[in-house]
Amino acid sequence: EPEVTQTPSHQVTQMGQEVILRCVPISNHLYFYWYRQILGQKVEFLVSFYNNEISEKSEIFDDQFSVERPDGSNFTLKIRSTKLEDSAMYFCASSERQFTGELFFGEGSRLTVL
Amino acid sequence: AQKITQTQPGMFVQEKEAVTLDCTYDTSDPSYGLFWYKQPSSGEMIFLIYQGSYDQQNATEGRYSLNFQKARKSANLVISASQLGDSAMYFCAMRGLTGTASKLTFGTGTRLQVTL
Repeated sequence: EPEVTQTPSHQVTQMGQEVILRCVPISNHLYFYWYRQILGQKVEFLVSFYNNEISEKSEIFDDQFSVERPDGSNFTLKIRSTKLEDSAMYFCASSERQFTGELFFGEGSRLTVL
Repeated sequence: AQKITQTQPGMFVQEKEAVTLDCTYDTSDPSYGLFWYKQPSSGEMIFLIYQGSYDQQNATEGRYSLNFQKARKSANLVISASQLGDSAMYFCAMRGLTGTASKLTFGTGTRLQVTL
């Protein structure tokens, strides 16, 4: 069964460092998303991406964050200068259609900022 | 704007019994979809069931069914014949089906514990 894959599964970084989280969405999907989940809290939307551009972003997704689809298969989330409060589980998701059907989630990348 | 409310932070159910996890929502979108995801302790998000606001019948997927009451804006998940492996966090979510609002909005989740 096709799946969304994310790397790394866990990354530990120092505050102020840049982090890149990588995702390979399901191959025929066109809509891509990043969500985050701070430990014990709800899943929060960060950004959606379609046709090589951001279609929607939340207030969390400030100038420290960026997304890219560099090669037609990977979908990356970059945090330029990490803060302690960026520590969370980051989920990549993809969907085949814009509105209907489920989002398929990856297993998540746990980011720990020290 | 969309809002999902899950009022049960934790629920217990005995193995083989049925359990209902509550979810209410609020939205200004005329058409929308409602989802339930399961998050086991390993952390991944597993899709369980989907209900469209335009669907006449309640969705069912194996042991999962969605009790959709549109007038009450509720979309409760019913798990029948609970199994120990059902112990997990359960999230209700929704997305609008119009405009550009394709993102999922999640509730705060309900932690289900299945006991012997």
